[in-house]
Amino acid sequence: GAGVSQTPSNKVTEKGKYVELRCDPISGHTALYWYRQSLGQGPEFLIYFQGTGAADDSGLPNDRFFAVRPEGSVSTLKIQRTERGDSAVYLCASSQNQGGKETQYFGPGTRLLVL
Amino acid sequence: GNSVTQMEGPVTLSEEAFLTINCTYTATGYPSLFWYVQYPGEGLQLLLKATKADDKGSNKGFEATYRKETTSFHLEKGSVQVSDSAVYFCALSDRGQGNLIFGKGTKLSVKP
Repeated sequence: GAGVSQTPSNKVTEKGKYVELRCDPISGHTALYWYRQSLGQGPEFLIYFQGTGAADDSGLPNDRFFAVRPEGSVSTLKIQRTERGDSAVYLCASSQNQGGKETQYFGPGTRLLVL
Repeated sequence: GNSVTQMEGPVTLSEEAFLTINCTYTATGYPSLFWYVQYPGEGLQLLLKATKADDKGSNKGFEATYRKETTSFHLEKGSVQVSDSAVYFCALSDRGQGNLIFGKGTKLSVKP
């Protein structure tokens, strides 16, 4: 079946602009995660959804970052007033259920460049 | 807090050489441990995992054993191939919601 998909694959924007990044998880997966990966680093956790609710948003760096998952499937990560330091690859992952033993399936990522 | 430390790369090996990539972790509870791999131009994919102490995960000739006494989860392969060239990430998740904590990654290059 289809894996996790993310759009756009690349996004170039100017400092101060607003961007939205979309994630389509594997059908039927209840848990959805957002991570951010900077060059030469491992992915860092941003936010986790179980169903429609954000169960843990402790990884969001500041209040410019926000994410939603209104129907428990597709999720959108929103970044306001972008800064050059927001440039990174944004990864989405989903798993069938929540919990530490579950395998997370990753999308290809959205590469964000803020000029 | 929880953290993962893995050996820095890059690692360059000849085909059929033995591979070890070290990974140690710090965790307050009893995490699950994972190795993810990122092939050139592709997304992260699970290579193997172990969910409790002394478990051995294995896949595609790679193995790693969950060692609670040494808080380690070293990745090994007896004979690497050129197609194993990739970046390897060690990660852990706690028993709760399961968000992953990753190491910085180790880039492996295998030469023919």
